[in-house]
Amino acid sequence: KQEVTQIPAALSVPEGENLVLNCSFTDSAIYNLQWFRQDPGKGLTSLLLIQSSQREQTSGRLNASLDKSSGRSTLYIAASQPGDSATYLCAVSERNNDMRFGAGTRLTVKP
Amino acid sequence: NAGVMQNPRHLVRRRGQEARLRCSPMKGHSHVYWYRQLPEEGLKFMVYLQKENIIDESGMPKERFSAEFPKEGPSILRIQQVVRGDSAAYFCASSSGQKETQYFGPGTRLLVL
Repeated sequence: KQEVTQIPAALSVPEGENLVLNCSFTDSAIYNLQWFRQDPGKGLTSLLLIQSSQREQTSGRLNASLDKSSGRSTLYIAASQPGDSATYLCAVSERNNDMRFGAGTRLTVKP
Repeated sequence: NAGVMQNPRHLVRRRGQEARLRCSPMKGHSHVYWYRQLPEEGLKFMVYLQKENIIDESGMPKERFSAEFPKEGPSILRIQQVVRGDSAAYFCASSSGQKETQYFGPGTRLLVL
């Protein structure tokens, strides 16, 4: 059974810092991995989607990497801003299109 | 192009009542997924539907929960005889294909008193 773990559970950084969020999964037989952002009281926003054949994806200040063999993904956020404060969720899609989520990392960027 | 819509956004029910949650997928999307987020837990998959068919319901509780996605109209997640443990945020997502990006709605927050 696939298990997705995110570390750390919470992170607080000063504005301008670069930071890395970690996601690990136990079963490497995935179709893709997504990183989402969840703002309080709102739905999820998909940030980056990495297919199983890809190693990384970039969008603006965000870079996500995927290492299937080791069951790991990282989300790198450059030059963090207070507006980046949110909960970041990692999710893997499996053969039956089930999507397994981690519990999230709650990020606070202090001005 | 409107995104995924869910209503109501907030729903309060007393124990034993029924809860009906609606999800309208993005235009052109025929695949719908329901997820539940219990307090202090991650999102968990419940059910995957494609117009008029349930494709995967492996995450659905065996009793009291049902889902449908009729030919016309929104997808409905129905919870009968709600209990306090059903209090959670229920998210719906839609996609254009089985392996395509899922786009999420804002969620329905259910509170059972």
